[in-house]
Amino acid sequence: NAGVTQTPKFRILKIGQSMTLQCTQDMNHNYMYWYRQDPGMGLKLIYYSVGAGITDKGEVPNGYNVSRSTTEDFPLRLELAAPSQTSVYFCASSYPEGRQGSNQPQHFGDGTRLSIL
Amino acid sequence: DQQVKQNSPSLSVQEGRISILNCDYTNSMFDYFLWYKKYPAEGPTFLISISSIKDKNEDGRFTVFLNKSAKHLSLHIVPSQPGDSAVYFCAASEQWAAGNKLTFGGGTRVLVKP
Repeated sequence: NAGVTQTPKFRILKIGQSMTLQCTQDMNHNYMYWYRQDPGMGLKLIYYSVGAGITDKGEVPNGYNVSRSTTEDFPLRLELAAPSQTSVYFCASSYPEGRQGSNQPQHFGDGTRLSIL
Repeated sequence: DQQVKQNSPSLSVQEGRISILNCDYTNSMFDYFLWYKKYPAEGPTFLISISSIKDKNEDGRFTVFLNKSAKHLSLHIVPSQPGDSAVYFCAASEQWAAGNKLTFGGGTRVLVKP
């Protein structure tokens, strides 16, 4: 199994450009997430989805949009790229909570390194 | 306001010795905690977790301890091996909140010297 696949691995954008970061998973996970990691910092949640057609904001959603039309895919859209969006972006997926609410570990892709100049 | 903190940005340890990584949290609603390991140019990989109904969980060389009253958890790696050199992230969540969302600490970079 490929797990969680992110494309592209690297990208340089100019200020004001738009792009879509792709994420697909083949584990039939209901839940999917987008995080960003700034240098020397932890991961911060941008958006998440608990199933096809359902998305919700995380801690840092401004400047981003998402959609979830299938179980497998969860693309992240930057409409007007800004230097503050220079970061490494990670997509993750997981099963829903187990019985008794036990959380399921999230599985991560290898990230997209995005620079905005 | 950081709800999950890892106050040691780096740790250097001799091969074969114990590595102890610490994590503090402020949100009393957190009741499930995970440790992830990250190598350069790769995504984080799940290492070990603990629910708030326990105070210890062990998996091979890795043990996580939870002190709920102090809002503190630690990860022990015994014995440390050169392949353990990586960045370790502590993460926390609310088991009953929808979405299985995680809040991460800033990470601790571990270097295991041969």
